[in-house]
Amino acid sequence: GAVVSQHPSWVICKSGTSVKIECRSLDFQATTMFWYRQFPKQSLMLMATSNEGSKATYEQGVEKDKFLINHASLTLSTLTVTSAHPEDSSFYICSARGLRGARDEQFFGPGTRLTVL
Amino acid sequence: GENVEQHPSTLSVQEGDSAVIKCTYSDSASNYFPWYKQELGKRPQLIIDIRSNVGEKKDQRIAVTLNKTAKHFSLHITETQPEDSAVYFCAPGGNQGGKLIFGQGTELSVKP
Repeated sequence: GAVVSQHPSWVICKSGTSVKIECRSLDFQATTMFWYRQFPKQSLMLMATSNEGSKATYEQGVEKDKFLINHASLTLSTLTVTSAHPEDSSFYICSARGLRGARDEQFFGPGTRLTVL
Repeated sequence: GENVEQHPSTLSVQEGDSAVIKCTYSDSASNYFPWYKQELGKRPQLIIDIRSNVGEKKDQRIAVTLNKTAKHFSLHITETQPEDSAVYFCAPGGNQGGKLIFGQGTELSVKP
């Protein structure tokens, strides 16, 4: 299947700092990327949908000023957690959909574990 | 928006038995019905999917059945093996820009 990478795989930061997570589609062009958050022993919760070159669409209850999403190219989307707090500690996973595979199929990145002290 | 319910939340079976997990959804416009397997700390892996024009699909020991009228679809795993132990998620979608809404997950444990 198609390959999606995330960087970093884990990050520890101090409360109040900002953290940027990158999501890349390595062998296909991703017209749409999705960002999910997963707390321990819970499901994946969709945070936002981003289409290349346009503003992200956020799910209800997700603060767009806190979780900044940029999808500047067909192979890269970034999620920046601004002024992170301990409650933002979670597993963040991106997925990409595009000109590869079936139209509806999403290809997932390996996830980024964020710990805020 | 889409409301997804997945049952059971935990399932324990003996090796060789069958396992069935059911997913109900609310959005009649959903037309894509995947099942994912997630091992601890790893990314979700697509194991099988079905589209709304088909009622059943099978891939070796794994099958998915869809009842669009009743708005539910099920994952069937036959001849279970210990390596099938993981958390399984349904994630209906396909409309609304392709977004998927994940069910709560089912923790499957296959005992040798």
